[in-house]
Amino acid sequence: DTGVSQNPRHKITKRGQNVTFRCDPISEHNRLYWYRQTLGQGPEFLTYFQNEAQLEKSRLLSDRFSAERPKGSFSTLEIQRTEQGDSAMYLCASSFARGEGTNEKLFFGSGTQLSVL
Amino acid sequence: QKEVEQDPGPLSVPEGAIVSLNCTYSNSAFQYFMWYRQYSRKGPELLMYTYSSGNKEDGRFTAQVDKSSKYISLFIRDSQPSDSATYLCAMSGVDSSYKLIFGSGTRLLVRP
Repeated sequence: DTGVSQNPRHKITKRGQNVTFRCDPISEHNRLYWYRQTLGQGPEFLTYFQNEAQLEKSRLLSDRFSAERPKGSFSTLEIQRTEQGDSAMYLCASSFARGEGTNEKLFFGSGTQLSVL
Repeated sequence: QKEVEQDPGPLSVPEGAIVSLNCTYSNSAFQYFMWYRQYSRKGPELLMYTYSSGNKEDGRFTAQVDKSSKYISLFIRDSQPSDSATYLCAMSGVDSSYKLIFGSGTRLLVRP
């Protein structure tokens, strides 16, 4: 399977616990994105990486959220001190971008469904 | 008011019908327009990608963009039960092509 891979598929945690999700993008893609989707809504942009550099973070990404992409390959998204409002599907996507302003096709993984009890 | 508006449905049609799905938007800077299909508990799958105004056809799917009206459409011909899913429109600007703004999705049910 050469698509975007996300692990785990499901995560149930108690409020206040820390969780970490992993995303493996399509191998030749240089950009990686994190989006969040709640029930009945479309995905919302959280952050993105160009290779290993994190270039933009949405204001939705509070201080409890941190994302990394060491060596420009896989990425992790960590949520500290989880709250019930963090319950959502966390989607990772990747794309190949030749430069700014060029068209990009984002390919999404199947997501990690987080439930905070 | 949201930047992208999409009727949530559900839209129920018989097999073989032509389906029309639509989105309106408010940001005139949007230049890239996409349609994604999302099955339950799966990630969005890119169906159609268009730049600026015009039509694009791919098999049973046709995407239309009317920038003057800020209105985009997806037509599905000869709909099949396997087309039953949520359809999300998404768009972005030239300076922020990485940041897709999604509609809330329209749930489609194709009855056998």
